[in-house]
Amino acid sequence: EAQVTQNPRYLITVTGKKLTVTCSQNMNHEYMSWYRQDPGLGLRQIYYSMNVEVTDKGDVPEGYKVSRKEKRNFPLILESPSPNQTSLYFCASSRENNEQFFGPGTRLTVL
Amino acid sequence: QKEVEQDPGPLSVPEGAIVSLNCTYSNSAFQYFMWYRQYSRKGPELLMYTYSSGNKEDGRFTAQVDKSSKYISLFIRDSQPSDSATYLCAGLDYKLSFGAGTTVTVRA
Repeated sequence: EAQVTQNPRYLITVTGKKLTVTCSQNMNHEYMSWYRQDPGLGLRQIYYSMNVEVTDKGDVPEGYKVSRKEKRNFPLILESPSPNQTSLYFCASSRENNEQFFGPGTRLTVL
Repeated sequence: QKEVEQDPGPLSVPEGAIVSLNCTYSNSAFQYFMWYRQYSRKGPELLMYTYSSGNKEDGRFTAQVDKSSKYISLFIRDSQPSDSATYLCAGLDYKLSFGAGTTVTVRA
């Protein structure tokens, strides 16, 4: 089944404790991206990657890092999480930068 | 200012009603327009995808784009309780820019 998977689905952590949210797709897509979704603000892009070893900032990159060492994986790293990073996070992938397939989401709470 | 503004809702309609969802955009570089549907506790899924001005129909769903007025709409005919979801409009140039979403509830 073609899909985008994210782990963990739910995470509660404390300020400053480094964490990684994994994202993997099995569709051989070149383009992958991370979004956060907040009430009233909709989906905002954090980072995107057009291919292996190629990443770029989206609209809200501060406090996040990404890497793209393999085509199928695109982890999101929060080196020192803060409460304002409490949000619902989505990973997405697409063959080109068009129809994006979204993962199921990761709900992160930073205390 | 957000590139895509969406009527905030929420909308509550009886089963069988026509649902009308609207967005405006400011970025003239948008080449594609999309509507995503997001059920509670799920990721968004692509519903409709349009390129040019005009209408595109898919079953009970019609997407409408008016590039002259920078206006995009989604109509749902004969709405069903299973259409209850949040609907997100988006424009695409080098990246997708989303509206904030409108939550729709169709009452049985």
